[in-house]
Amino acid sequence: GESVGLHLPTLSVQEGDNSIINCAYSNSASDYFIWYKQESGKGPQFIIDIRSNMDKRQGQRVTVLLNKTVKHLSLQIAATQPGDSAVYFCAEKAGANNLFFGTGTRLTVIP
Amino acid sequence: DARVTQTPRHKVTEMGQEVTMRCQPILGHNTVFWYRQTMMQGLELLAYFRNRAPLDDSGMPKDRFSAEMPDATLATLKIQPSEPRDSAVYFCASGGTGELRSQYFGPGTRLTVT
Repeated sequence: GESVGLHLPTLSVQEGDNSIINCAYSNSASDYFIWYKQESGKGPQFIIDIRSNMDKRQGQRVTVLLNKTVKHLSLQIAATQPGDSAVYFCAEKAGANNLFFGTGTRLTVIP
Repeated sequence: DARVTQTPRHKVTEMGQEVTMRCQPILGHNTVFWYRQTMMQGLELLAYFRNRAPLDDSGMPKDRFSAEMPDATLATLKIQPSEPRDSAVYFCASGGTGELRSQYFGPGTRLTVT
């Protein structure tokens, strides 16, 4: 899609398998994080969020893990489906109402 | 189904021309954000408004970019004069007070400056 770069990290998974998308953040003081999904030709869409006082949060088919020690986030998608193919961004809170977005990972689901 | 709308969806213009992009936030949302997405820089915040007042536009080149909210239903982003390096997808997002998770993105305006 037009929203992504040529050098995005990519992940290809077989339909039905679990996907794990990783993200490193920069600010150790960040206390809130969001994962977004961006499909081709569309704006980013909220998936799940997590506060820094948590290590794990689960949603429908998705789980976010936060490791503050190494400043790392991961998004796990269970039973990946073709509709999950998209670019996934992590974002960290920067200021009162700002988000700083990572570069994104392109997930391709192989039917 | 409430959505953020943006017009135009695509714009091709020549260097030096003025470009105006429009955004209609979700009714009742009092925070509006403008982002730019490029291959090289990813998603960058340009400016954001709360209750129509600009709170932060530090991400925006001041000499050529301007953002306004003439009323609660319209946000505009103007570039004058446009340059090829402005080619990008520009997203508007709106949200409720204090809830970053409720920030809803529009479909974007793809701008190409030749």
